[in-house]
Amino acid sequence: GAGVSQTPSNKVTEKGKYVELRCDPISGHTALYWYRQSLGQGPEFLIYFQGTGAADDSGLPNDRFFAVRPEGSVSTLKIQRTERGDSAVYLCASSLSGGPYTEAFFGQGTRLTVV
Amino acid sequence: SQQGEEDPQALSIQEGENATMNCSYKTSINNLQWYRQNSGRGLVHLILIRSNEREKHSGRLRVTLDTSKKSSSLLITASRAADTASYFCATASSGYALNFGKGTSLLVTP
Repeated sequence: GAGVSQTPSNKVTEKGKYVELRCDPISGHTALYWYRQSLGQGPEFLIYFQGTGAADDSGLPNDRFFAVRPEGSVSTLKIQRTERGDSAVYLCASSLSGGPYTEAFFGQGTRLTVV
Repeated sequence: SQQGEEDPQALSIQEGENATMNCSYKTSINNLQWYRQNSGRGLVHLILIRSNEREKHSGRLRVTLDTSKKSSSLLITASRAADTASYFCATASSGYALNFGKGTSLLVTP
């Protein structure tokens, strides 16, 4: 497809379990972002990749959260020992170059529910 | 932490009326962007205004930016039912991360 693809669209997991969320960016986009959006809030920045490297991971809330982008395309957000407070919509976005004036294209998100 | 704050939190108007949403932010910025979100899922980019610009138009959208007041406004003219959505402002500062506000929920009734 032409847009940013995120899978799964919905994920229900038990507290304490490990989850992986996948993002397939627009082909050719070097910049990739992960955001998290809680109900009634705006998206909060988690991590930004330029190519394969995490250029800014200052938004990751703690060391249970980790993200990779090994080949500079698909990215996986990994959450260990999930907690109920991790429940949110996780949004991925990509942009052509990642500069401050480039438009970011968002996927439809993965709704994570921790029970 | 969220940098922008939209005002009002919710807005209800009738088709054909204009809708105005405001955004205030705290620190200096490179640019400010407005996004639309339907049903709490994917965001759609509407318009980007650079810090050295004061006004920008795109179709029925008009955005203004006042860096001295650290504020922006989004005007949607001749609104339609399909404009019903949440609208977010997002600022970009020294890094590449976007800082979003909490959004304005717009309801346009036929």
